[in-house]
Amino acid sequence: EIVMTQSPATLSVSPGERATLSCRASQSVSRNLTWYQQKPGQAPRLLISGASTRATGIPARFSGSGSGTEFTLTISSLQSEDFGIYYCQQDITWPLTFGGGTKVEIK
Amino acid sequence: QVQLQESGPGLVKPSETLSLTCAVSGYSISSNHFWGWIRQPPGKGLEWIGTVSRTGNTHYNPSLESRVTISVDTSKNYFSLKVTSVTAADTAVYYCARQEYGSESADCWGQGTLVTVSS
Repeated sequence: EIVMTQSPATLSVSPGERATLSCRASQSVSRNLTWYQQKPGQAPRLLISGASTRATGIPARFSGSGSGTEFTLTISSLQSEDFGIYYCQQDITWPLTFGGGTKVEIK
Repeated sequence: QVQLQESGPGLVKPSETLSLTCAVSGYSISSNHFWGWIRQPPGKGLEWIGTVSRTGNTHYNPSLESRVTISVDTSKNYFSLKVTSVTAADTAVYYCARQEYGSESADCWGQGTLVTVSS
């Protein structure tokens, strides 16, 4: 199975600053990479699919990039409501696999 | 508006079978999507369990495949999960989700239900 590795584990960012989250795949997933946001006590929410396509209703400050094995989620200007845990997931092949998550804390 | 709602026992005894259903409203389960189950042990990350198509074709996580069955009932617009021979390691919040056909991204999730395995 494809192993997904996210870094850093925790990211502390001040409101208004840029946040950059990384996701690495153990083998190429082309652009079949999805990002989710999860807040405490809530189900995950789809942010980005196909490495860079924002889901309906997702603000433009969220952007995704990358292909192959290296991917990045960027939050251009962090808002207080953006705290939570962000997960990447590959969907190029079964079994679908998730990264371990990056926790974004508001500094 | 599409809504998914998990239901089932919140407490299951070791060695017994965990059974959950996911009722889908606002959308036909026969339409062009997949339907999946994902779980999250307390304080840990997400684990994909398996996915079923509208025709009943399934894909399972190899780590669970010998104990998992996912099925779909198009007449009642719901899909189900069964996990046999459960242990404490199966304690988790279980989510059902709609997955996009072709990308398998989960674009709509249930609120999740906590299942505890304990005697």
